[in-house]
Amino acid sequence: EDKVVQSPLSLVVHEGDTVTLNCSYEVTNFRSLLWYKQEKKAPTFLFMLTSSGIEKKSGRLSSILDKKELSSILNITATQTGDSAIYLCAVLDTGNQFYFGTGTSLTVIP
Amino acid sequence: EPEVTQTPSHQVTQMGQEVILRCVPISNHLYFYWYRQILGQKVEFLVSFYNNEISEKSEIFDDQFSVERPDGSNFTLKIRSTKLEDSAMYFCASLDPPAETQYFGPGTRLLVL
Repeated sequence: EDKVVQSPLSLVVHEGDTVTLNCSYEVTNFRSLLWYKQEKKAPTFLFMLTSSGIEKKSGRLSSILDKKELSSILNITATQTGDSAIYLCAVLDTGNQFYFGTGTSLTVIP
Repeated sequence: EPEVTQTPSHQVTQMGQEVILRCVPISNHLYFYWYRQILGQKVEFLVSFYNNEISEKSEIFDDQFSVERPDGSNFTLKIRSTKLEDSAMYFCASLDPPAETQYFGPGTRLLVL
């Protein structure tokens, strides 16, 4: 059965810390991996990763895919309280189906 | 910035009633999706739609569910005979593969009594 696993399930850090969130997958016919931030309502798209080893960056957030290890990491540097959210990882397969992980809940304390 | 819109934001219905959830995806996107998220649980894929037909659907998307793109702009999810367990937040999303971006709508919270 195809699945996506995220770790840790939850994380509490202080402002200014750097965090690394992990996502591993077992999905047949992998096409892309996507990261989202979910605060109160709808997930907000962060990154789509298709090629292994190429880092994508947006401000203090960055992410990279390792197709050999079937995993991805999301890094957030110099965390702020506004980074507090659930971070979701999802895998899109070539059949256009998505598989979501359960998310990592990040809390940033001032 | 482009956005996906959904209506209504909330819907309360009686068990056994039909509901139609509406979405307007971003106009130049080609792939459309419905997801649901039961309170406190993970986002679950329901169905993907491309070129005016379903391209993939999950086990959740049984005969009670249907999707339509009736007029080239709206993308609807119909639940024919709602059950209590259909209570969830339903998200629509559209994907622009060349730009490698996906946008979610704000969701419709469905409560079945």
